Amino acid sequence: DGGITQSPKYLFRKEGQNVTLSCEQNLNHDAMYWYRQDPGQGLRLIYYSQIVNDFQKGDIAEGYSVSREKKESFPLTVTSAQKNPTAFYLCASSTQGLGQETQYFGPGTRLLVL
Amino acid sequence: AQSVAQPEDQVNVAEGNPLTVKCTYSVSGNPYLFWYVQYPNRGLQFLLKYITGDNLVKGSYGFEAEFNKSQTSFHLKKPSALVSDSALYFCAVRDARAGSYQLTFGKGTKLSVIP
Repeated sequence: DGGITQSPKYLFRKEGQNVTLSCEQNLNHDAMYWYRQDPGQGLRLIYYSQIVNDFQKGDIAEGYSVSREKKESFPLTVTSAQKNPTAFYLCASSTQGLGQETQYFGPGTRLLVL
Repeated sequence: AQSVAQPEDQVNVAEGNPLTVKCTYSVSGNPYLFWYVQYPNRGLQFLLKYITGDNLVKGSYGFEAEFNKSQTSFHLKKPSALVSDSALYFCAVRDARAGSYQLTFGKGTKLSVIP
């Protein structure tokens, strides 16, 4: 988990509320990723960013938004449009040289709905 | 499209016995393959990867994996299991072609090492 921090560790969302999950890395990695983990489903990619001020939708982007204003930071907002947000959210980062792009993960944020 | 299959939801092995966690993949081009381990309520830890070269890859904590192109497999192995190896293991693949940085993960295999 070293080098990538996620906060908070637990987050509670009320009906109709937007919440933002923080992800910060000090590894000087260009690329950052957000995954959602549900029991028995593995990890599914929400959004990724290969460079500052640019990001791409992953497989399950609906109901989520991101920004990448700084290289070190890639916050994820879970909007009220996401009807089933309860999950474990993982942030990752990597370099971008061919064959060098091992993804390293943060400790995760567990989002629960009140 | 790329995909990963981990055919076993759970693997049980006695402490001191060899362990194998299976993974098969599908990609259009050449594969980059990865194994990660996850302990409860924690992020994923990188174990090892295959990019090119020797088909037998050695990684952290005594784990190794063998790339088999004809069988499109990348099974994770360890000669002697420890109770502390009990965790959730994920195999992941990406297409080696430039411009494709997305990893696709399997659904995970829960390894239980019995004392």
